[in-house]
Amino acid sequence: NAGVMQNPRHLVRRRGQEARLRCSPMKGHSHVYWYRQLPEEGLKFMVYLQKENIIDESGMPKERFSAEFPKEGPSILRIQQVVRGDSAAYFCASSPNLGDRDSNEKLFFGSGTQLSVL
Amino acid sequence: AQSVTQLDSQVPVFEEAPVELRCNYSSSVSVYLFWYVQYPNQGLQLLLKYLSGSTLVKGINGFEAEFNKSQTSFHLRKPSVHISDTAEYFCAARPSNDYKLSFGAGTTVTVRA
Repeated sequence: NAGVMQNPRHLVRRRGQEARLRCSPMKGHSHVYWYRQLPEEGLKFMVYLQKENIIDESGMPKERFSAEFPKEGPSILRIQQVVRGDSAAYFCASSPNLGDRDSNEKLFFGSGTQLSVL
Repeated sequence: AQSVTQLDSQVPVFEEAPVELRCNYSSSVSVYLFWYVQYPNQGLQLLLKYLSGSTLVKGINGFEAEFNKSQTSFHLRKPSVHISDTAEYFCAARPSNDYKLSFGAGTTVTVRA
């Protein structure tokens, strides 16, 4: 059973371009979470999605950022018109239910996508 | 809201020596506490957790952590490290009634022979 797969591992974009980050959850997982780690900071929650639904996007910047988790295919985090401040590591996590609320034992993280904006 | 502070960004240590990684948290509600480890080119893995009960929790690979409510700390320890323990370690907290994790900035542990 493959783990949470994120690609690309590294992504370089110039200011103003679009960045698309992909996350394939573990088999059987229908809940996906995106976190962002800015330099010298901890991971911060961005958005929580279930298949075809955004459940909680309270951590998403109001502009330029969007996320989707279609019925088929990976979850996509899309950043339009990237700026240097978007440079960060973006982590995806998946779980079979609501984050295994008590223990986190069924919450699995990918290895992240490092976005660099030139 | 809660916040997590990891006091050391880099911890070099010799093989078979003990290691302690410090973590402090602040929260207005009761929280669950976690330590995650990220080995090179891998995702974050759950190392151990504190939900309630005994304040000393044991995790995988010989790690343990102690919850100290009065000092709002959750320090991670291992009495004797191996080269394979070289990794980045993240302390995290989550309100007991929510799913959103708050992470510290991470501590990079480098074990040398």
